[in-house]
Amino acid sequence: AAGVIQSPRHLIKEKRETATLKCYPIPRHDTVYWYQQGPGQDPQFLISFYEKMQSDKGSIPDRFSAQQFSDYHSELNMSSLELGDSALYFCASTVGGSAGELFFGEGSRLTVL
Amino acid sequence: ELKVEQNPLFLSMQEGKNYTIYCNYSTTSDRLYWYRQDPGKSLESLFVLLSNGAVKQEGRLMASLDTKARLSTLHITAAVHDLSATYFCAVVPTATTSGTYKYIFGTGTRLKVLA
Repeated sequence: AAGVIQSPRHLIKEKRETATLKCYPIPRHDTVYWYQQGPGQDPQFLISFYEKMQSDKGSIPDRFSAQQFSDYHSELNMSSLELGDSALYFCASTVGGSAGELFFGEGSRLTVL
Repeated sequence: ELKVEQNPLFLSMQEGKNYTIYCNYSTTSDRLYWYRQDPGKSLESLFVLLSNGAVKQEGRLMASLDTKARLSTLHITAAVHDLSATYFCAVVPTATTSGTYKYIFGTGTRLKVLA
């Protein structure tokens, strides 16, 4: 069965650079969530989208932005990267409006040097 | 603000022993999820608990939900080394104004099963 696809899986950037992470949800899932997980920490909610509209916002820095496209894939754009942005970034998808099970991608590991 | 707390945070246990991980949350929610995460890996769904009194079992793991006490438990029976991982519970409070839901994760319990 198709799963949530994230790319790239690994990314190394310098401070003050920009990075873009992509997420392709499971087919027919219309809701995407982005989480950030630092080493040894629980996943922190960043932002979510439902039917291509931003639905909720968590602890996402102003330097980050995201959107969901017409094919339901989502992109997380990160600018002016800081050392503290180094983390695993997970995307998860579900069918909106139902609080159903979240299905997670394999994650994108960002390292900022 | 919704808080989801797990205890213990760290658990080291011998193979063959039983133990319970607790997940307490601070607001009304009628559903709860348990996930497993291996180091550097994704979160794998273990259990979906959708109502008060729900009990689910899979192999050596059993999860239950008490919505009145705002408590879920994950019970490990006769632990084996392969169960070593971090376990997270996630709570879904009421829908946002946009009609979607915010999933709030617990602090995680890092389990190490010693051979």
